[in-house]
Amino acid sequence: KAGVTQTPRYLIKTRGQQVTLSCSPISGHRSVSWYQQTPGQGLQFLFEYFSETQRNKGNFPGRFSGRQFSNSRSEMNVSTLELGDSALYLCASSLAEGGVHNEQFFGPGTRLTVL
Amino acid sequence: AQSVTQLGSHVSVSEGALVLLRCNYSSSVPPYLFWYVQYPNQGLQLLLKYTSAATLVKGINGFEAEFKKSETSFHLTKPSAHMSDAAEYFCAVSLGGTSYGKLTFGQGTILTVHP
Repeated sequence: KAGVTQTPRYLIKTRGQQVTLSCSPISGHRSVSWYQQTPGQGLQFLFEYFSETQRNKGNFPGRFSGRQFSNSRSEMNVSTLELGDSALYLCASSLAEGGVHNEQFFGPGTRLTVL
Repeated sequence: AQSVTQLGSHVSVSEGALVLLRCNYSSSVPPYLFWYVQYPNQGLQLLLKYTSAATLVKGINGFEAEFKKSETSFHLTKPSAHMSDAAEYFCAVSLGGTSYGKLTFGQGTILTVHP
């Protein structure tokens, strides 16, 4: 089975621009979570989607948004980029079966650099 | 709210020596606990998970962890370190249930293995 894939792997943007990152989960996985990883703040939860609905959200400004499509693929968007948005953005998928907690499987990440 | 503390941001061991990476958690409800490993320029790989079954959990690559409720700890161990174990390790907690798709991570421990 193919793992979680993320595109693009690397991205360079300038302040004020917007960016869209893509994540394809493992086949059959319906839950997709997004995380931001920075040296200073570590790994922080952004949001989670299941069946095209956002079920959970972390403490990030509204500039960070996401969506999920009917095939479970997910995108996250960051508008009006700031220097502090430079980070590794990780996507993770899980089965999310009812009543059972499932582990998350992570993609390789998208390295975003904001200049 | 749950939190995770990893004691020691850097741990250095000799090849063949015991590896011990410390993790303490706080949670108001029984937690689900995970250890992940991250190699440079890669995503996170699941080493093992605790989900209220056996308190001693065995994972991949010879790692294991013991859940101790009285100490609120979930330390990761490996009897004999290999050079290939050099990486960054993250302990994470999830409440499952309605905390959909959210893992709270510790700050990470970088493991260095000397020949």
